[in-house]
Amino acid sequence: DAGVIQSPRHEVTEMGQEVTLRCKPISGHNSLFWYRQTMMRGLELLIYFNNNVPIDDSGMPEDRFSAKMPNASFSTLKIQPSEPRDSAVYFCASSNLETDSNQPQHFGDGTRLSIL
Amino acid sequence: GEDVEQSLFLSVREGDSSVINCTYTDSSSTYLYWYKQEPGAGLQLLTYIFSNMDMKQDQRLTVLLNKKDKHLSLRIADTQTGDSAIYFCAESIWGNDMRFGAGTRLTVKP
Repeated sequence: DAGVIQSPRHEVTEMGQEVTLRCKPISGHNSLFWYRQTMMRGLELLIYFNNNVPIDDSGMPEDRFSAKMPNASFSTLKIQPSEPRDSAVYFCASSNLETDSNQPQHFGDGTRLSIL
Repeated sequence: GEDVEQSLFLSVREGDSSVINCTYTDSSSTYLYWYKQEPGAGLQLLTYIFSNMDMKQDQRLTVLLNKKDKHLSLRIADTQTGDSAIYFCAESIWGNDMRFGAGTRLTVKP
């Protein structure tokens, strides 16, 4: 079975540029999560969607960050303009909170973002 | 806020047992998880336990939960070099509110 698919795996860009990270959740999962991982702060939840609707975006650091989920099989996380301190690994995870009572989140392999 | 704490490093010899410990503060936690992260990869769900259980065993993995002390442990029997990774403890109430520890880096020496 295909897991959570993220693209690109690596992104290097100059500060000020727009960055778009993409995620395809596991088919049938109705919840999608965006996390950021850094050495200093560990794993931080940025935002999560339930049935394509953003439920909690309190972890989004600034207005420069935005996330969308236009349909059940696709989500984007956008940073505009990007800054060096946004450099991190960004993970997408999905779960099915309706039928899977154990509710574990399944993670993609992440996008390693470097802002120069 | 609620915290999940783990020691940062653990080093064991190949063939020994590894025990990774975790403490959490939210007594309402209903689900507790262990994830493994290998270099350059995402978090892989290893195992999970519901809060009304004390123990769960899955092949070389044993999870022990002491709900009174809010202490969770992961024991890996016969640790192999391929077990070297970062192990994250996590807890949640509803499933959409997971809180992760900082991760324990396990190094297995031959």
